[in-house]
Amino acid sequence: GQNIDQPTEMTATEGAIVQINCTYQTSGFNGLFWYQQHAGEAPTFLSYNVLDGLEEKGRFSSFLSRSKGYSYLLLKELQMKDSASYLCAVFADKLIFGTGTRLQVFP
Amino acid sequence: GEEVAQTPKHLVRGEGQKAKLYCAPIKGHSYVFWYQQVLKNEFKFLISFQNENVFDETGMPKERFSAKCLPNSPCSLEIQATKLEDSAVYFCASSRTTASNYGYTFGSGTRLTVV
Repeated sequence: GQNIDQPTEMTATEGAIVQINCTYQTSGFNGLFWYQQHAGEAPTFLSYNVLDGLEEKGRFSSFLSRSKGYSYLLLKELQMKDSASYLCAVFADKLIFGTGTRLQVFP
Repeated sequence: GEEVAQTPKHLVRGEGQKAKLYCAPIKGHSYVFWYQQVLKNEFKFLISFQNENVFDETGMPKERFSAKCLPNSPCSLEIQATKLEDSAVYFCASSRTTASNYGYTFGSGTRLTVV
């Protein structure tokens, strides 16, 4: 079967760093995506990892370890606007999503 | 256009009524995907199309749900005889290929409320 796990909720303070973990067990793997979804809006693409290692893009970085079935999204210098749900999704033969992590950033 | 357009934004139906949702993919994208998001839980894959052809329908409930993508028309997802449990946000997404490293581009969703 397909299983993608993330923490349900996290909180952090403005200016801090937060790491959102994702573990997966899927029948295929062709890459891992992170999406951001603000309440009532469409998910928007944040990052893509297909090889092991760290991909950095501004304040956001994403890490992948295929052997461990593990990824994380690292958000630095948190801003209030980063309060959103963060979705980990594995591309097997289609995108399969985890339950998402709701991040609340406090002043 | 450069966005996936979904209509309507909100839809309210009484139990047993029909619901029809529409999606216009980005021009040039050959693949269309439908997902269901119940409350704030995970996205459940329903069905995908490659142009007008069903590509993967492994997530579609066997009864009551149907979908089409016809040439020169928005794609549609239809639910016959809606049930309370069908209340969800239905997202449509499109992509150029099934293996794009930019993933899918999502529409803003249709919120279906069955009362």
